[in-house]
Amino acid sequence: KAGVTQTPRYLIKTRGQQVTLSCSPISGHRSVSWYQQTPGQGLQFLFEYFSETQRNKGNFPGRFSGRQFSNSRSEMNVSTLELGDSALYLCASSLGVLAGDSPDTQYFGPGTRLTVL
Amino acid sequence: QKEVEQNSGPLSVPEGAIASLNCTYSDRVSQSFFWYRQYSGKSPELIMSIYSNGDKEDGRFTAQLNKASQYVSLLIRDSQPSDSATYLCAVSSFRSASKIIFGSGTRLSIRP
Repeated sequence: KAGVTQTPRYLIKTRGQQVTLSCSPISGHRSVSWYQQTPGQGLQFLFEYFSETQRNKGNFPGRFSGRQFSNSRSEMNVSTLELGDSALYLCASSLGVLAGDSPDTQYFGPGTRLTVL
Repeated sequence: QKEVEQNSGPLSVPEGAIASLNCTYSDRVSQSFFWYRQYSGKSPELIMSIYSNGDKEDGRFTAQLNKASQYVSLLIRDSQPSDSATYLCAVSSFRSASKIIFGSGTRLSIRP
């Protein structure tokens, strides 16, 4: 089974621009979560989408938004980029529902490294 | 107080010894607990998940959960140099994996 894929892998933008990142989940997974990882703040939860609806949201400003399509692919958008938005953006997919006796488990993509100049 | 706390390390362990990684969490209603391993420049990969009190073993790895003490740990037996990585503890308030809160990670170094 193919893993989680993210495109692009690397991006360089300037302050004030906007950016769109894409994530394709594992086949059959309906939940996609987005995280920002920086050396200073670690891995921080941005939001989670399940069946095209935002189900959970972290504490990020409204400049960060996302959406999910009917095929479960998800996009994340950051508008009016700031220098502090430079980070590794990770998406993770999971079934999004309980199955059997184990917790629902997230599997991460390789990430998109965003640099804001 | 951080929601999920880990000692940042580095934790240095000789090859072949047991590495013990610890994590505490603040939300008493937390239900699911995960350990991820992250190599430098790579994305996190799942090692184990646990949601019942007690021990769960998978090969050289054992996860231990104590909900009364709000404590979860990961033991790595027969440590190998390839185990050198950052280990992330993650907690969810739901049986579903949505909205996982991660600790800042513990850097583990296995010395030959």
